[in-house]
Amino acid sequence: DIQMTQSPSSLSASVGDRVTITCQASQDISNYLNWYQQKPGKAPKLLIYDASNLETGVPSRFSGSGSGTDFTFTISSLQPEDIATYYCQQYDNLLSLTFGGGTKVEIK
Amino acid sequence: QVTLRESGPALVKPTQTLTLTCTFSGFSLSTSGMCVSWVRQPPGKALEWLALIDWDDDKYYSTSLKTRLTISKDTSKNQVVLTMTNMDPVDTATYYCARTFNLQNFDYWGQGTLVTVSS
Repeated sequence: DIQMTQSPSSLSASVGDRVTITCQASQDISNYLNWYQQKPGKAPKLLIYDASNLETGVPSRFSGSGSGTDFTFTISSLQPEDIATYYCQQYDNLLSLTFGGGTKVEIK
Repeated sequence: QVTLRESGPALVKPTQTLTLTCTFSGFSLSTSGMCVSWVRQPPGKALEWLALIDWDDDKYYSTSLKTRLTISKDTSKNQVVLTMTNMDPVDTATYYCARTFNLQNFDYWGQGTLVTVSS
């Protein structure tokens, strides 16, 4: 199975800060990487697909990059409504559609 | 408008079989590219993909849970059913169904249903 290692597991930042989360795959997954936002008590929401494509309706302060094994998710200017847990997910191997361990983002 | 809704028991006993139903609208599982997945999340923990069924009735399962899972669909009723055998307290989680387009990403999710495994 492909393993997805996400870091950090949590972070605290100020409103307006740039926030970066990384996700590393245990093998090459090309650009088959998605990012989700999950607010407490809610279902996850797709933000970024195919590593760098913004889902319709998602604010442009969210972005993604990377290919192969190393991927980055960025919030360019953290807003209070961005408080959530963020997950990466790979789909290269249908035997295991793996999620990362999640990154909890809090306001400092 | 795409919607999905999970239904099933809130409480099951250890060793019992869990049956969950996902009822959806706004798309057809007979359309090429359309799939429905089940994903679960233990309290305070990460998401875990469980199973997927596609428009062609192909089925895919989590490697670690495949011996306990069965996924099926009823296209006429717009429903997908997941069964999980031999339930254990560690299976306590919120279970979500999600539309999965072209086996790639989960673009629409249900609200989730909490299943507690306890005697």
